[in-house]
Amino acid sequence: GAGVSQSPSNKVTEKGKDVELRCDPISGHTALYWYRQSLGQGLEFLIYFQGNSAPDKSGLPSDRFSAERTGGSVSTLTIQRTQQEDSAVYLCASSPGGAGTYNEQFFGPGTRLTVL
Amino acid sequence: AQSVSQHNHHVILSEAASLELGCNYSYGGTVNLFWYVQYPGQHLQLLLKYFSGDPLVKGIKGFEAEFIKSKFSFNLRKPSVQWSDTAEYFCAVKRSNYQLIWGAGTKLIIKP
Repeated sequence: GAGVSQSPSNKVTEKGKDVELRCDPISGHTALYWYRQSLGQGLEFLIYFQGNSAPDKSGLPSDRFSAERTGGSVSTLTIQRTQQEDSAVYLCASSPGGAGTYNEQFFGPGTRLTVL
Repeated sequence: AQSVSQHNHHVILSEAASLELGCNYSYGGTVNLFWYVQYPGQHLQLLLKYFSGDPLVKGIKGFEAEFIKSKFSFNLRKPSVQWSDTAEYFCAVKRSNYQLIWGAGTKLIIKP
């Protein structure tokens, strides 16, 4: 079946503009995750969705970052008033989910964001 | 705070050489540990994981890792690498049922 998909694959924007990054998880996966990977660093957790709700938003770096998930499927990560330090690869992952046990996370290809 | 350290950021080996990538973690409780791999142009994928039981874990493509509790380590090994093992390797420790803490990654280059 289809894996996790993300769009766009690359996004170049000017400082101060808003951007939207999209994630389509694997069908039937209830859990969805957003990560950020900056050059030379490991993955930084941003937010986790279980269904449409986000029990943990603790990783969002600032109030310029927000995310939503609709229909228990597609998720959008929005960055307002982008700054140069927002430049990174944004990864989405999904898993069969459910509290109480760890499920393997399946990753998408990422969106490379460059803020000029 | 929990953390994961991967000491080698870049490793270059010749084909057929043996591989060991270091991973150390700091966490006081029960640990679940993972190695993920990202081949050039591909998605991150799970290589192997340790939850409990035998501390020597076998993964895909001939990789294995050994959990040594006393050393807080989970090193990745392969007896004989191939050119196709060129990739970036990430170690991670489970923080909660959904959150992993990740190392910075090790870029492995295998010379043909």
